[in-house]
Order: sequence, then C-alpha cells, then structure tokens
Amino acid sequence: DGGITQSPKYLFRKEGQNVTLSCEQNLNHDAMYWYRQDPGQGLRLIYYSQIVNDFQKGDIAEGYSVSREKKESFPLTVTSAQKNPTAFYLCASSILAGVKETQYFGPGTRLLVL
Amino acid sequence: RKEVEQDPGPFNVPEGATVAFNCTYSNSASQSFFWYRQDCRKEPKLLMSVYSSGNEDGRFTAQLNRASQYISLLIRDSKLSDSATYLCVVNLNAGGTSYGKLTFGQGTILTVHP
Repeated sequence: DGGITQSPKYLFRKEGQNVTLSCEQNLNHDAMYWYRQDPGQGLRLIYYSQIVNDFQKGDIAEGYSVSREKKESFPLTVTSAQKNPTAFYLCASSILAGVKETQYFGPGTRLLVL
Repeated sequence: RKEVEQDPGPFNVPEGATVAFNCTYSNSASQSFFWYRQDCRKEPKLLMSVYSSGNEDGRFTAQLNRASQYISLLIRDSKLSDSATYLCVVNLNAGGTSYGKLTFGQGTILTVHP
C-alpha cells in the first residue's frame, strides 16, 4: 500500500526533553512538509523540503528541527526551546507539479506535554 | 485581514439538505484552490481541487470567483457521513516546479443530523 505513515500516534514529552516525530512516505513524492494544528486554528507550516539534503523554514520553525537524508523520510524534532509544543502534528508530501501540486497528509501525531 | 477566511460555523443541517460554505482569500496572485475534509482527530483528506472556475464531483460542487476572491463549496443531499470540518486551502504558486505555499483556513464545521 502506498501512503504516508507517521509514528507514534501519541507522544508525551517531559519538560526540557527533545522528542522526534517520524514521517515516512513510499509515494516517491519529491516534497515533504510538517504542519502543526491547534484547536480552532488552521494548519501552520513548520518546515518543508523539496529535495534530499535541503529544507526550508516555514512560518513557525522556532523550536523545531528537521532533516532530509532520504527521499522517503522527513523526521521532525521538537526541541526543549519550543515552549508550547502540545498540538496535532501533520506530515504531508507532494509531487512538485506547479499550480497542480496537491499535498497528501499522514495520520498525524498528537504531542502532549507532561 | 486573514489570508484565508472561512465562517467557522457550526452548520447544523438535516439529512437531505443543501449546504454551502464560502471562503475568501486575500492574495489575488493565488493560483490554485482546494477543499479538504477533516474528520475529528484525523488528518485532512483532499475533497476537491479547483483550478479554473469550478469543479463538480457527485454531490459536491466547488466554484471559484477570482474577481471577488472567494471559493465556495456546495453539498447537495447531505448525508450523515458528511459531518466533518471542511478546510479551504489556497496555493500561491507562480508555476513551474517551485514550492507553492499552502495557506489553510481555520475550517467550517458541518453537522448533519437525522
């Protein structure tokens, strides 16, 4: 089955701890994205990557880091510098297709602070 | 003014009703438009893409008015299973293979009741 997987489904973070969220896709998509969703708000872009070994900051990158060592994988680390990390984190991927680019989402990871 | 604005609702309609959602966007250079459906605690799923003046898929019709900068989604003969949050998404993409930033509305909640 082709698709986007995210793990874990739920993640608990202690204060001062870094945690890493996994995102894998087997769709052979070029681009991958991380979003954060808070209740009653639209999705906000954290980081994106169009090609292996390259990534760009989105609108709310502070307190987060990413890597793109393989086309299929785009892990997100929530660092201790992110003071309000509780949210629903969504990974997406797309083929770079200009105006017809469409993003598809993984099932998400809920991060909760203990 | 928000870049993408939706009426958050909630819209409560009986089965079989016709319901319409509107969405306005602020950037006139926006190139493509999407409606995503998001069920409670799940990831957004693509419902429709809108590249020209409109698109129809069964009970769902999306229309685009570039002059007035709004997109609408019409759902006919509502089903209980249509209950979800509907996200309006705008892609500011100038074409080619460059990344086009997606901007998400906060979503419109629809509840269809028996």
